[in-house]
Amino acid sequence: GENVEQHPSTLSVQEGDSAVIKCTYSDSASNYFPWYKQELGKGPQLIIDIRSNVGEKKDQRIAVTLNKTAKHFSLHITETQPEDSAVYFCAASRPTGANSKLTFGKGITLSVRP
Amino acid sequence: DAGVIQSPRHEVTEMGQEVTLRCKPISGHNSLFWYRQTMMRGLELLIYFNNNVPIDDSGMPEDRFSAKMPNASFSTLKIQPSEPRDSAVYFCASSFGTGNYEQYFGPGTRLTVT
Repeated sequence: GENVEQHPSTLSVQEGDSAVIKCTYSDSASNYFPWYKQELGKGPQLIIDIRSNVGEKKDQRIAVTLNKTAKHFSLHITETQPEDSAVYFCAASRPTGANSKLTFGKGITLSVRP
Repeated sequence: DAGVIQSPRHEVTEMGQEVTLRCKPISGHNSLFWYRQTMMRGLELLIYFNNNVPIDDSGMPEDRFSAKMPNASFSTLKIQPSEPRDSAVYFCASSFGTGNYEQYFGPGTRLTVT
């Protein structure tokens, strides 16, 4: 089955700097790669996703890039703010249908220092 | 919409007792997922349903765990008998489908087994 790994496990940046979180996946059939943000005491919430037919997607201060050949994708946060401090999960899944389910990485704790 | 509703939010029980966690998915969603989150293992998928039918329960750790979805608006996760190692946060999520669809997570149930 799919194996998703995140690196690093913790990340600390200064407010205003950029943060990059990387993930690798193992199943070459995976074609959907979402990122979830989990704030303290809450459930994870989708912040951005990308499908394998594109290499990059942006939404204001966040962007995701995908390298299908190397089987890795990254989350980029620019101009970080204290409210960006949270746990971020990457995930991967196959096309919708049989054996299609999200496999999550273990999460990375991002701390933005004011 | 109220989002995914889980109850109770916190549960403290003694080893050997039966625990029932409840979930109400978002109206109109046809897929429901139960996850367990711990520091050591991250976010683990336990079981998921599509149109009220269990599709994949390979993540259910033991026969002590069972899940049901009697109708489109209600699901339960039961642990009988509970053990201290079952202590975790249990999330329910729902979506419009499996795989390549955004999952909406509930606030979670924090279970402590003493």
